[in-house]
Amino acid sequence: EAGVAQSPRYKIIEKRQSVAFWCNPISGHATLYWYQQILGQGPKLLIQFQNNGVVDDSQLPKDRFSAERLKGVDSTLKIQPAKLEDSAVYLCASSLDPVALAKNIQYFGAGTRLSVL
Amino acid sequence: ELKVEQNPLFLSMQEGKNYTIYCNYSTTSDRLYWYRQDPGKSLESLFVLLSNGAVKQEGRLMASLDTKARLSTLHITAAVHDLSATYFCAVDLSYQKVTFGTGTKLQVIP
Repeated sequence: EAGVAQSPRYKIIEKRQSVAFWCNPISGHATLYWYQQILGQGPKLLIQFQNNGVVDDSQLPKDRFSAERLKGVDSTLKIQPAKLEDSAVYLCASSLDPVALAKNIQYFGAGTRLSVL
Repeated sequence: ELKVEQNPLFLSMQEGKNYTIYCNYSTTSDRLYWYRQDPGKSLESLFVLLSNGAVKQEGRLMASLDTKARLSTLHITAAVHDLSATYFCAVDLSYQKVTFGTGTKLQVIP
């Protein structure tokens, strides 16, 4: 089966510019996650969708970050305006139905490496 | 707030040796996952531990879970170079949200 697709793979922008990332989860996966992974650290959850509804966005810096998942499939994550500290890898992951399965195995995309200069 | 800590953060070991990576967490949970991340790559699921005393093995890696001690271990037996990667544990509190540990970067030296 096809995995989680993300684009672009790399992005270099200047501070105060805007940027958007795209994610297409595994077909049939109801839950979609966006993580920020700063070099040398573990992934940090930014936002989680169940179908097209937001389950958790408590760690999303809402003054500059936004995300949507229209029609409960693809998702985009936007940063506007970007700051130097936003330099990181942005990972998208999806899972089938964690509550029904009583476990949450997440499948990750390759990530987008963002450099803010 | 759930805290997940791994130690060591960095581990350099010779081929053929054994070692253990520890994952401690602050809030009771009986579901824990281990992931592997190769340099420049994404995370790949290794083990799913869903109950106290659970033990899973795959090749030279064995993971276990002690929910009373809030501790999981990832044991490496007779390490080989191909195991060089960063290993993350992730604790699941509510099925829908997992919190990742700090990661352990493993380097296996020939």
